[in-house]
Amino acid sequence: DIRLTQSPSFLSASVGDRVTITCRASGADSRYLAWYRQKPGKAPELLIYSASSLQHGVPSRFSGRGSGSEVTLTISSLQPGDIATYYCQQLYAYPPTFGQGTQVEIK
Amino acid sequence: QVQLVQSGENVVQPGQSLRLSCAASGFDFRYFAMFWVRQAPGKGLEWVAVISSGGSNRYYADSVTGRFTISRDDSQNTVFLQMDHLRLEDTAVYYCAKSLVHNGGTYFDSWGQGNLVSVSS
Repeated sequence: DIRLTQSPSFLSASVGDRVTITCRASGADSRYLAWYRQKPGKAPELLIYSASSLQHGVPSRFSGRGSGSEVTLTISSLQPGDIATYYCQQLYAYPPTFGQGTQVEIK
Repeated sequence: QVQLVQSGENVVQPGQSLRLSCAASGFDFRYFAMFWVRQAPGKGLEWVAVISSGGSNRYYADSVTGRFTISRDDSQNTVFLQMDHLRLEDTAVYYCAKSLVHNGGTYFDSWGQGNLVSVSS
């Protein structure tokens, strides 16, 4: 199975801060990775796919970048509504796998 | 717009069975693979099953193989998850999800609201 490892696992930042989360894939190209945001008590929502493509309707403060087997998710200006857990995901090869999640809180 | 509406919460005992449903609207359902993903309380996301468009291909996570069956009814725009021989460790919120295929990768671009399945004696 392709293993996805996110860092950090927890992040605390202030409103307006630039925030970056990293996902490293074992045995997968970053081109096939996606990012999701899951707000407390809600279903996940797709933010970024194919490493850097912004999903329709997602605010432009979210961006993704891939290099080799690593992808990063950047929130250019953290907003209170971004309090959530963020997951990376791959389905280039079965089984589909997710990272362990990064919990983002507001300082 | 795309909507995935799931059936309600359920509490069952170990060894019992349950069928979840997910009714889709807002897209041409028959052309899309559909997935089930679950999330145990306080844990991360875990893929459970997938069914291809047309229903000819189905794959399962090792943890549910032989106990769960995914199916679809394109005339009703609905995907199902039949869960047999339920175990305590199957307790989770179950989500259905629609596939997005792009440049060789597959992603989940729409999600149902989730069903809590609680397996308890």
